[in-house]
Amino acid sequence: AQSVTQLDSQVPVFEEAPVELRCNYSSSVSVYLFWYVQYPNQGLQLLLKYLSGSTLVKGINGFEAEFNKSQTSFHLRKPSVHISDTAEYFCAVSYPQGAQKLVFGQGTRLTINP
Amino acid sequence: DTEVTQTPKHLVMGMTNKKSLKCEQHMGHRAMYWYKQKAKKPPELMFVYSYEKLSINESVPSRFSPECPNSSLLNLHLHALQPEDSALYLCASSTTLGEKLFFGSGTQLSVL
Repeated sequence: AQSVTQLDSQVPVFEEAPVELRCNYSSSVSVYLFWYVQYPNQGLQLLLKYLSGSTLVKGINGFEAEFNKSQTSFHLRKPSVHISDTAEYFCAVSYPQGAQKLVFGQGTRLTINP
Repeated sequence: DTEVTQTPKHLVMGMTNKKSLKCEQHMGHRAMYWYKQKAKKPPELMFVYSYEKLSINESVPSRFSPECPNSSLLNLHLHALQPEDSALYLCASSTTLGEKLFFGSGTQLSVL
């Protein structure tokens, strides 16, 4: 079975500093990988996704993530964060064949301090 | 229109009440989903509809009853809920199964 582990439940960062949110997955077959962001009192919004091809994926709001098959990781990065990036971030995985079921990690709460 | 609209935004109900949550999208998406999200937890899949037919039921108790009357509308009928059912209920849609999900803002449900 597939599973997703987000190693940090909370990440505090100062404004304009770089940030990395870690995500590791477990699967014996190829997977699709996603990062979603959830702002307070809102639904989830897709930041970026990896389906195949280039392992470096660029998303919205200046975020990017790198797929590393050997380390089964899909870490999210941003070189300089803003106060508005404060939110909950979820890594998710699905199988290409059963892609209607998205399995989410536990989430990482990113807090940007001035 | 690139939105998934959920109503109501907030709902308080007693354990003997019957209520319904509504989800609407006009993006021509043919897959629609219900997720349940408890506070500080990730969303958990409840139901998936594909072309108005139920595709996945994640062993959800029968007090939750989904309905997809047409390709734009998804309902979740609630009856005899328990306090532990209090959560944020999120609707999502995608062009077809497996494509990018568009989420609504959710209905915050409190069961007293």
